[in-house]
Amino acid sequence: GENVEQHPSTLSVQEGDSAVIKCTYSDSASNYFPWYKQELGKRPQLIIDIRSNVGEKKDQRIAVTLNKTAKHFSLHITETQPEDSAVYFCAASKGYGQNFVFGPGTRLSVLP
Amino acid sequence: KAGVTQTPRYLIKTRGQQVTLSCSPISGHRSVSWYQQTPGQGLQFLFEYFSETQRNKGNFPGRFSGRQFSNSRSEMNVSTLELGDSALYLCASALSTGGSNEQFFGPGTRLTVL
Repeated sequence: GENVEQHPSTLSVQEGDSAVIKCTYSDSASNYFPWYKQELGKRPQLIIDIRSNVGEKKDQRIAVTLNKTAKHFSLHITETQPEDSAVYFCAASKGYGQNFVFGPGTRLSVLP
Repeated sequence: KAGVTQTPRYLIKTRGQQVTLSCSPISGHRSVSWYQQTPGQGLQFLFEYFSETQRNKGNFPGRFSGRQFSNSRSEMNVSTLELGDSALYLCASALSTGGSNEQFFGPGTRLTVL
């Protein structure tokens, strides 16, 4: 079955710097890749997603890139702010009607 | 629209007991997935229900079961509780039609097994 790896497990950056989190997946049939942000004591919230027919997607300070050949995708956060501190999860799915497989998470700390 | 709701929010049980958790999806969503979240294991997929049928299943023992009602509300049951079942149980709902498979999570039920 699908396996999703995520690196790094923890990441500390200075406020204003960029943060990059990388995920790799094993099943080449996966075609939907969401990213979730989970703040302490709260539910995971979808922040951005990408489908396999697109190489990059941006939403303000957040971007996701996908390399289907290498089977990896990355989350990029620019101009980080303290409120970006959270655990970020990547996931992969083979699409409509298929379950998600999540990565183990990355704890991002943005230091003021 | 109201978000995904889960009840109860907190539960304390003892080993050997059973527990039932409830999830009400976003109105119009027909898919409900259940996840177990623990500090060491992240988000582990339990099962997914769509139109009252289990559509996908993760690698959990048969003590974990679920069902979905005609109004898309879902319940998850864990029998013969073990200490290792202590976790945050999250459900997520999805429209799951028209190619959309975005999932929206509920606040979770924190289960503690003593």
